[in-house]
Amino acid sequence: DAKTTQPPSMDCAEGRAANLPCNHSTISGNEYVYWYRQIHSQGPQYIIHGLKNNETNEMASLIITEDRKSSTLILPHATLRDTAVYYCIVRDFNKFYFGSGTKLNVKP
Amino acid sequence: DGGITQSPKYLFRKEGQNVTLSCEQNLNHDAMYWYRQDPGQGLRLIYYSQIVNDFQKGDIAEGYSVSREKKESFPLTVTSAQKNPTAFYLCASSNRQGRIEQYFGPGTRLTVT
Repeated sequence: DAKTTQPPSMDCAEGRAANLPCNHSTISGNEYVYWYRQIHSQGPQYIIHGLKNNETNEMASLIITEDRKSSTLILPHATLRDTAVYYCIVRDFNKFYFGSGTKLNVKP
Repeated sequence: DGGITQSPKYLFRKEGQNVTLSCEQNLNHDAMYWYRQDPGQGLRLIYYSQIVNDFQKGDIAEGYSVSREKKESFPLTVTSAQKNPTAFYLCASSNRQGRIEQYFGPGTRLTVT
């Protein structure tokens, strides 16, 4: 059973911020939220993860609501190479639960 | 270079034959995983192993078997009992503690006719 819900697709203009939402209303206190992306026919690539606090790295920012029931991945300046399927994942110990993801289409 | 290798990239088999997919990692990771991905779908966990000589079933283990005799290797056998074996198969590995993101291999696309 997928523990996350994401919109199936989103569009974003090149150079603008892409905000990808994720609902994980049944998340428990010790479960982390991870984000991965998958470019067609390749292995998924790690982006970022967090537990309670907002996180930022060179690729993206992760905003987690105070009740931890939802989160948003932010790509600050989307490029055409960011076109991919983005997965929001809840990790339970060493098991990752992948949903269907959001197909992000970055358009010129 | 450290990473995960899967071979071959494309594999074709006749129905009724068992086939073994290779996965090797040189990241010194304890845990390894096998996922299946069907077109337009997310990843589903087949088997995982947290330590050598031990492995657990994932959500869709029926028709598959694995072994973990070495830390670096986690081969997956798709048996003739698997009803719909044609899919994209992904192997991953991770540390057991600390930063536990999974690193994925490039995948093997299996076609059974």
